[in-house]
Amino acid sequence: DSGVTQTPKHLITATGQRVTLRCSPRSGDLSVYWYQQSLDQGLQFLIHYYNGEERAKGNILERFSAQQFPDLHSELNLSSLELGDSALYFCASSEGLAGGVYNEQFFGPGTRLTVL
Amino acid sequence: GDSVTQMEGPVTLSEEAFLTINCTYTATGYPSLFWYVQYPGEGLQLLLKATKADDKGSNKGFEATYRKETTSFHLEKGSVQVSDSAVYFCALTNTGNQFYFGTGTSLTVIP
Repeated sequence: DSGVTQTPKHLITATGQRVTLRCSPRSGDLSVYWYQQSLDQGLQFLIHYYNGEERAKGNILERFSAQQFPDLHSELNLSSLELGDSALYFCASSEGLAGGVYNEQFFGPGTRLTVL
Repeated sequence: GDSVTQMEGPVTLSEEAFLTINCTYTATGYPSLFWYVQYPGEGLQLLLKATKADDKGSNKGFEATYRKETTSFHLEKGSVQVSDSAVYFCALTNTGNQFYFGTGTSLTVIP
């Protein structure tokens, strides 16, 4: 158990719909990262938040958005869903930079999104 | 931009065989390098890391050495077990703001 929780575990929805994925980081971790994992694209970085602020954006579609709340949990919102959005969505948390070393990320179990 | 290239899989080995999974990277500066492992149905877990040139990361019999001259971080294990069957990801970060992952290499170890 990594200490990172993600809900829901599975989500089945229809094209055009909007969903929200939730992530609670490990206690004390300030950084939250979101990734999309699909069979043909591998693990794609979406976005990184540190203590409520957006720090980096990767291959995140305009239909997707995220935020990190004051209690440090994060939500990833996916709207106007398409069949191609079906994937595993992981969040990971990290302490961030400490002592000049970038600390490891701890991954949650993922949310499997199926768009029908 | 920064990137990681991993050897394509899948890889199938017999138990007790030697394992090498190649990883090369492109990055400015001096990135930190990582190997993560993903077991079926689970999230990724850190296997080992190295933060500067010539560092050797090791864990559970796996090793990888940060080679700046060849921009490589190959994963090795002398004797694999069935329980090592998983997908292995090489990754790097320069700033901690973004991590770049390879495409993953699936390993199956047969008894």
